[in-house]
Amino acid sequence: EAGVAQSPRYKIIEKRQSVAFWCNPISGHATLYWYQQILGQGPKLLIQFQNNGVVDDSQLPKDRFSAERLKGVDSTLKIQPAKLEDSAVYLCASSGRMGAYNEQFFGPGTRLTVL
Amino acid sequence: AQSVAQPEDQVNVAEGNPLTVKCTYSVSGNPYLFWYVQYPNRGLQFLLKYITGDNLVKGSYGFEAEFNKSQTSFHLKKPSALVSDSALYFCAVRETQAGTALIFGKGTTLSVSS
Repeated sequence: EAGVAQSPRYKIIEKRQSVAFWCNPISGHATLYWYQQILGQGPKLLIQFQNNGVVDDSQLPKDRFSAERLKGVDSTLKIQPAKLEDSAVYLCASSGRMGAYNEQFFGPGTRLTVL
Repeated sequence: AQSVAQPEDQVNVAEGNPLTVKCTYSVSGNPYLFWYVQYPNRGLQFLLKYITGDNLVKGSYGFEAEFNKSQTSFHLKKPSALVSDSALYFCAVRETQAGTALIFGKGTTLSVSS
């Protein structure tokens, strides 16, 4: 079974520029998550989708971050404008069911550097 | 509020020796507990989870973890470490009620020497 795909793997931008990340979850997985992992810290949930609806976006900085999952399959996370503190690895994960006991499957991540 | 603590930034063990990576948690209700491993330039991989039942949970690659409700701990263990076990390990907790997020610890780097 193919895993969670993410692109690009690396991105370097100047502050105040915009950037977008793409994620394709495991086929058939209805739940999709975006996490931010700052160096030296554990991943922090940004947003959770169930199909194409948002379940939890309480920690998403909505003044600059946005995410969508229009057809309930792949998803895009955007940052506009980027700040220095947005430098991190952005991880996408998916889960076959929404139950809290289900493990999540993670993609390789996108490493963002903001200069 | 939920929280997870991994008190050790790094754990060093010799190959063939037993290893323990510590994790304690805080939730208001009953927890679901997970361990993930992260290799360089790769995403997190699921190792094992505690949902209910037997306090000793067995997972991938020979790892196991013991749930201790009184000590609110979920330590990761392996009887005999391999050099290939060297990686970054994350403990995570989620409350059993629906709609709660998975909260990760800051991670512990395991280094196994030959």
